[in-house]
Amino acid sequence: EVQLVESGGGLVQPGGSLRLSCAASGFTFSSYDLHWVRQPTGEGLHWVSAAASTGEVYYSGSVKGRFTISRDNAKNSVFLQMNSLRADDTALYYCAVVTGDGIYWGQGTLVTVSS
Amino acid sequence: DIVLTQSPGTLSLSPGERATLSCRASQTFTNDYLAWYQQKPGRAPRLLIYAASIRATDIPDRFSGSGSGTDFTLTLSRLEPEDSAVYYCQQYAWSPWTFGQGTKVEIK
Repeated sequence: EVQLVESGGGLVQPGGSLRLSCAASGFTFSSYDLHWVRQPTGEGLHWVSAAASTGEVYYSGSVKGRFTISRDNAKNSVFLQMNSLRADDTALYYCAVVTGDGIYWGQGTLVTVSS
Repeated sequence: DIVLTQSPGTLSLSPGERATLSCRASQTFTNDYLAWYQQKPGRAPRLLIYAASIRATDIPDRFSGSGSGTDFTLTLSRLEPEDSAVYYCQQYAWSPWTFGQGTKVEIK
């Protein structure tokens, strides 16, 4: 069974940093691309970043230069280092993966940027 | 980026009726990598359909997906009260993934 468990969210001041983690199980981690998607409260879903199985990384324009995605295939984990956080980064952050039999999401971790 | 436009914004129907939700893409994409999700307040999105028409595990057969190219449809036949939720479409053909703005289904 595919499982994704996010952690690392919390309350941080504007300009601060957080590092999110997503621990994966139930599939061959190194073979798949891992994505981060966020959802501000009461709003829709927005793709943030992806770490491809090839080693390539991708970012949305709103986070490029501030966020860094990385993966550790030995630990079956993907990370999102978030720097220079702004109020509009406040959201529930999900990690997700597409496998051969569907698209799997974690339950999310909440990031609140506020003074 | 591929823009997904969902319609209508809100659908208000009675139990037992059929709901038809539309998702239109600004361009075609690989292998019809189009998914539909149901989301209830405080919950993570629940995958209903992927690859445009394949039902996800444990999804009842009253949920069905169809379409190809740039026009896709999610049909909820025989609505039940627990179907009240927001429904999103998503393309996952390549990064960046993009999502529709959602259709809210209300059960009278």
